Amino acid sequence: DGGITQSPKYLFRKEGQNVTLSCEQNLNHDAMYWYRQDPGQGLRLIYYSQIVNDFQKGDIAEGYSVSREKKESFPLTVTSAQKNPTAFYLCASSRSGQVIYNEQFFGPGTRLTVL
Amino acid sequence: KNQVEQSPQSLIILEGKNCTLQCNYTVSPFSNLRWYKQDTGRGPVSLTIMTFSENTKSNGRYTATLDADTKQSSLHITASQLSDSASYICVVSAFEGGGADGLTFGKGTHLIIQP
Repeated sequence: DGGITQSPKYLFRKEGQNVTLSCEQNLNHDAMYWYRQDPGQGLRLIYYSQIVNDFQKGDIAEGYSVSREKKESFPLTVTSAQKNPTAFYLCASSRSGQVIYNEQFFGPGTRLTVL
Repeated sequence: KNQVEQSPQSLIILEGKNCTLQCNYTVSPFSNLRWYKQDTGRGPVSLTIMTFSENTKSNGRYTATLDADTKQSSLHITASQLSDSASYICVVSAFEGGGADGLTFGKGTHLIIQP
């Protein structure tokens, strides 16, 4: 069963704590992405990786960090420096980093709530 | 600045009726336009992808149209079903760079189908 998995589905965090969101894909895609979705807003790009051991900042990277040590995994860490982390986080992948020519496949999302 | 505007923000229709969702964009230079369906609490799923040369594309009861001259697209849903209740997101790609920063997401139209 191919696809993208994200875990956990729901995550609660106290202020001042770092948390890591998991994203795994078995589609053999080179590129992976992290988006943030807030009510009434379009998806906003946090980080993306076109290939293993390489990643670039998106529009709202401040307060977040990522790693891409394996092709199938792209974890996102939400640090205490992120001022308003409560949101729905979506991971996606595409066959190549030339995403305008390739379909993006999205995971089921993780809803993070800061208490 | 590239922008994608969707209308209406929300829409309620009765089961079995048809509806049309709108997407206007100012993205340049245009590469392609995508429509996604996002069920509540889930990741977006691709419905259609249209390039500059395509005017109409269908996927079952979903038909997307594109007018590249007026920079408008519409998504028509025929004989709506309860399962069509979701948010519909328009995404426009620009040629610049080809990477993830070339995607502009609309805020979505929230569609509710009532029995």
